[in-house]
Amino acid sequence: AQSVTQLDSQVPVFEEAPVELRCNYSSSVSVYLFWYVQYPNQGLQLLLKYLSGSTLVKGINGFEAEFNKSQTSFHLRKPSVHISDTAEYFCAVPYNQGGKLIFGQGTELSVKP
Amino acid sequence: ETGVTQTPRHLVMGMTNKKSLKCEQHLGHNAMYWYKQSAKKPLELMFVYNFKEQTENNSVPSRFSPECPNSSHLFLHLHTLQPEDSALYLCASSQGGGGQGSYEQYFGPGTRLTVT
Repeated sequence: AQSVTQLDSQVPVFEEAPVELRCNYSSSVSVYLFWYVQYPNQGLQLLLKYLSGSTLVKGINGFEAEFNKSQTSFHLRKPSVHISDTAEYFCAVPYNQGGKLIFGQGTELSVKP
Repeated sequence: ETGVTQTPRHLVMGMTNKKSLKCEQHLGHNAMYWYKQSAKKPLELMFVYNFKEQTENNSVPSRFSPECPNSSHLFLHLHTLQPEDSALYLCASSQGGGGQGSYEQYFGPGTRLTVT
């Protein structure tokens, strides 16, 4: 069965520090992987996606993620965070072929000055 | 208007009321989704429509009734709700038809529902 586990519910960091948000997945369908971001009082926005090809994927706002098949992980990284990166981040994997996504529980990134 | 819009943004209703949530997408997509987002819980998919046909009902109670009159509009009709139904209801759209494009979903800002 498909599942997604985000290992950290909250990640506090200082501005300009690097950050890694962890995601592990289990999938028996095609391995597509997604990170979505939800800023306060907004809906979710696609941050980046892995569909095939290079295992290092670059997204918007300077974020990147690496697909690691052997460790079934898709961790999200940014070398230097800004206050504006404060948001909730969701990892997601397809549940079936029909567009249904399974989301992780979310990681709340809090960037402090 | 661009993207995905939802109205109202906030709704307070009693348990005996009937209300509707509206979603409209301006992206030319063919699939639309309703999600429920409760505090401290993962995002829950409620319904999926592909080309106006319902293709997923994730065991949602019948007090939630979706309607998709065309590929651009999606409604969620609410009646006799319970306090535990209080949540943020998010609408999303995608290309539809299965495949990679179906997973790139564009979300509206949500309707914050409070049931008293």
